[in-house]
Amino acid sequence: AQSVTQLDSQVPVFEEAPVELRCNYSSSVSVYLFWYVQYPNQGLQLLLKYLSGSTLVESINGFEAEFNKSQTSFHLRKPSVHISDTAEYFCAAFNTGGFKTIFGAGTRLFVKA
Amino acid sequence: EAGVTQFPSHSVIEKGQTVTLRCDPISGHDNLYWYRRVMGKEIKFLLHFVKESKQDESGMPNNRFLAERTGGTYSTLKVQPAELEDSGVYFCASSRTRQGSTEAFFGQGTRLTVV
Repeated sequence: AQSVTQLDSQVPVFEEAPVELRCNYSSSVSVYLFWYVQYPNQGLQLLLKYLSGSTLVESINGFEAEFNKSQTSFHLRKPSVHISDTAEYFCAAFNTGGFKTIFGAGTRLFVKA
Repeated sequence: EAGVTQFPSHSVIEKGQTVTLRCDPISGHDNLYWYRRVMGKEIKFLLHFVKESKQDESGMPNNRFLAERTGGTYSTLKVQPAELEDSGVYFCASSRTRQGSTEAFFGQGTRLTVV
């Protein structure tokens, strides 16, 4: 069975500090991996995705995630966060053997001044 | 280009009542998905339309939930009768091709509260 685990429900961090949001997945088949972000009172937005090729993927606002097949992880990182990064982040996996996206429970990132 | 639009944004109803949620996908997107997030838990898949046909409805919780997509355009999700455990945020998403091979665009969600 396919599953996505986000290891931290909440992550408080000071502005300009680095952050890592952890995500592990399990699947018996190939998967595509995603990070979505939900800002307060807004819908889900795609932050970045791994489909194939380079294992390091980047977003336009400084986040990056690395696909690690041996550790079945897809952790999200940013070297220096801003107040505006405060949001809930969802890791998700799409099973290429089917057509459903499986989401993790979400991680709330709080960036403090 | 307009995004995925969901109506209403919030709904508060009493147990036993009926509620209908609506989703307008991005124009030209054949694929439409419904998801639900119960408080504090993960976002769960409910069902998938390809145009007007239900491709996969394995995530629908029970027969109190009915989804339709007349004409392959907008979709509705009806809950009848609503129960307390139906409270949560219902998300709709659409994509041009199968989700995962391209980006799926999500709506803002409908927050349903059953009291």
